Parts: sequence; structure tokens; C-alpha cells
Amino acid sequence: KQEVTQIPAALSVPEGENLVLNCSFTDSAIYNLQWFRQDPGKGLTSLLLIQSSQREQTSGRLNASLDKSSGRSTLYIAASQPGDSATYLCAVRWVGGYQKVTFGIGTKLQVIP
Amino acid sequence: DAGVIQSPRHEVTEMGQEVTLRCKPISGHDYLFWYRQTMMRGLELLIYFNNNVPIDDSGMPEDRFSAKMPNASFSTLKIQPSEPRDSAVYFCASSPSDRDVAFTFGSGTRLTVV
Repeated sequence: KQEVTQIPAALSVPEGENLVLNCSFTDSAIYNLQWFRQDPGKGLTSLLLIQSSQREQTSGRLNASLDKSSGRSTLYIAASQPGDSATYLCAVRWVGGYQKVTFGIGTKLQVIP
Repeated sequence: DAGVIQSPRHEVTEMGQEVTLRCKPISGHDYLFWYRQTMMRGLELLIYFNNNVPIDDSGMPEDRFSAKMPNASFSTLKIQPSEPRDSAVYFCASSPSDRDVAFTFGSGTRLTVV
């Protein structure tokens, strides 16, 4: 079964700290992986999209890595800020069907000033 | 582009009533998706359309749920009759045919059935 897991479910860090969010998936036959941010009561905002052929993608203070063989992706946030507080979800698009996409349940991040 | 537009933002209704959620995808996007988000189950795909045609509705929980896409710029998700367990946030998303391009989500409709 194709599943996506995000651990921990919640994370609290002091402002300024670098942090890593984890996403694991059970099947290495993926097309791409996307990281989203969700603020309370809001929709999902796309942060980074990594193709299966890529190892990492960077945008500002965010860096996402992908290791298909081990079924893992990480989202690294440098110099965290209170404004980074949100829930972060990863979504895996599987090979073999355009819309075989599975979302993780998310990691709720709190950055404490 | 205004992005994916959903209405209403919030809906409170009584059990047994009909509920209609609306979505306007991004112009030029061939695919439209309806998702439901709950604390327990996270994001679940209910149904998706390609060029206005429903492709996979296997995620629709039961016959009380129906979705239509009469044209490229409008879709509805209807629940009739609604039940308290339908309470959730319903998201609409769209994307182009190019799988290399990310999904774009709407802001969601928070549905409460009392």
C-alpha cells in the first residue's frame, strides 16, 4: 500500500533555530514530491516541488531533499522565524496514474519568539 | 490570476439539508480535484476531473455526495442529505496537464453540519 508518513506530528522550536521536517513514503516509484504549508483556517500553499530525478530543491531559507531509494524527503528550514509557524504537509505523486497522489498528515510547527 | 476560488468560506447547516460547495479553477488548468480534510484522516481525494469529465470518483464516501463540472471554469460538490460526520474542510485544487507543475489549492470551505 502506498502511504506517506510525517513524523513528528508536532514540533516546537525557539526562534533562530535550524530545523528539519521529515516525510517518508512506502513506494520508491514516485513521480515527484511536493511540500506544502498550511496556515490555520487557510488552504495549502505550495513551497517546493522535487522531481524524482532531483536530489534537492531550494527556495530562500527552505531546502527540500529527496532520497527515493530510502523513501525519504526532508524539508530544512534555516534560521526559523515565528512567521514559519504552520502545518507542513508533503504530497507524493506516484508513478502509474496522473492522480495517484497521497498526502501526509502534516507536521505542526511552532516557532517560539 | 486570482488562483482557485472556493465559495462559501464557511457553511453551517442542519442535518438533512442539501449543501453545495463551489469552485472556480485556475484558467487553463485541465485538472480539478475535490479533497476533504479532517483531523483524523488528513487530506483525502474525493473526485477529480480532467477536461470537465469525472475520471475517478472512488474517494466519494457515499451516494449522498455528487460532483459536477459543467464547464472549464466551474465545479460543484453537493451533499444531500448532509450528516454531522460530513463536517470537515473541503478543498478544491487544480493543476495543468504537465505533472511537473505543482497543484494549486483554494482556501477551502469549512462545513459544519449540526
